[in-house]
Amino acid sequence: GAGVSQSPRYKVTKRGQDVALRCDPISGHVSLYWYRQALGQGPEFLTYFNYEAQQDKSGLPNDRFSAERPEGSISTLTIQRTEQRDSAMYRCASSLGPEGVGNYEQYFGPGTRLTVT
Amino acid sequence: AQRVTQPEKLLSVFKGAPVELKCNYSYSGSPELFWYVQYSRQRLQLLLRHISRESIKGFTADLNKGETSFHLKKPFAQEEDSAMYYCALRGYNKLIFGAGTRLAVHP
Repeated sequence: GAGVSQSPRYKVTKRGQDVALRCDPISGHVSLYWYRQALGQGPEFLTYFNYEAQQDKSGLPNDRFSAERPEGSISTLTIQRTEQRDSAMYRCASSLGPEGVGNYEQYFGPGTRLTVT
Repeated sequence: AQRVTQPEKLLSVFKGAPVELKCNYSYSGSPELFWYVQYSRQRLQLLLRHISRESIKGFTADLNKGETSFHLKKPFAQEEDSAMYYCALRGYNKLIFGAGTRLAVHP
């Protein structure tokens, strides 16, 4: 079946512009996660959704970053007034069940490579 | 603090040689640990998890709570094992990843 998909795969934007990154999780998956991965580092947690509820946004670095999942399926990560330090790979993952209930595997999408010039 | 450390950025071996990718963690409580792999031009995928106690593609990893380690091992490396390997720890609402080790297996 189809895995997690993300779009666009690559995004180049000028500093100061807003960007929206999309994640389409595996159908039926309850949990959705966003991670950011800088060059030479592992993925770092940004935010977690249980259905449409954003239950953890402790990893969002500042208020320029926001995420939503209005219908409990597709999610959008928005970065306002982008800065060069926002350049990274943004990864989305989904899992079948909610956090804290069982040990569900996270399935990752291909990522969106964001470059801010 | 919850943390995962992978001390090697690059591990280079010849085909048929044994491989050990190191992972140490810091966690108060009962940890759940994973190894994820990313092959060239593919997405990050789960290789194995300690609770399953499986051997996947010849790889094994044993949780050592005394040494707070979860090293990944394979007795005979293959060229197709060349990839980026990430050790991860289940935290609260998230996975906590190490910086990764690139394994290069030469013919």
